[in-house]
Amino acid sequence: AQSVTQPDIHITVSEGASLELRCNYSYGATPYLFWYVQSPGQGLQLLLKYFSGDTLVQGIKGFEAEFKRSQSSFNLRKPSVHWSDAAEYFCAVGPTGGGNKLTFGTGTQLKVEL
Amino acid sequence: DTAVSQTPKYLVTQMGNDKSIKCEQNLGHDTMYWYKQDSKKFLKIMFSYNNKELIINETVPNRFSPKSPDKAHLNLHINSLELGDSAVYFCASNDQANTGELFFGEGSRLTVL
Repeated sequence: AQSVTQPDIHITVSEGASLELRCNYSYGATPYLFWYVQSPGQGLQLLLKYFSGDTLVQGIKGFEAEFKRSQSSFNLRKPSVHWSDAAEYFCAVGPTGGGNKLTFGTGTQLKVEL
Repeated sequence: DTAVSQTPKYLVTQMGNDKSIKCEQNLGHDTMYWYKQDSKKFLKIMFSYNNKELIINETVPNRFSPKSPDKAHLNLHINSLELGDSAVYFCASNDQANTGELFFGEGSRLTVL
């Protein structure tokens, strides 16, 4: 069965500092991987996704993520965090070939200090 | 212009009541979902419909009954509400033949007193 672990429940960074949110997955083959962001009171918005090819993927709002097969990881990064990035971030894994069953991690809440 | 819209956004009700949440998507997708997000923000899939046909039915009490009148709509009816049903319910949609990316509604916060 597929699963996702986000080891950090809360992370606080200063505005302008760099950010890395960790995500580890368990899946039998190469999965489809996603990062979503949820602002307070809002639904989830896709930041970026990985299916194949270049293991470094770029997303919206200046985020990027790197797929590392050897470590079963898909960590999210941003070089300089803005106060508006404060939100809940979810990593998700889906079956190869797409399909309909995404499994989400438990989320990481990001706080940004001004 | 909202891609996936849910109503109501907030719902407060007493234990034992029956309530419904409606969802509509205008993205032309063929698959729709209900996810439940608990107080710890954990997201768990409940149901999925593809072209009005139920394709995912996780271990959910049978008090929860989804209905899809057409591929653009997916409603969730809950009978005999319990305290533990309090959560945020998210509707989502995608194209099953696509890469799995989900498009979410803004959520419906259900509070059972």
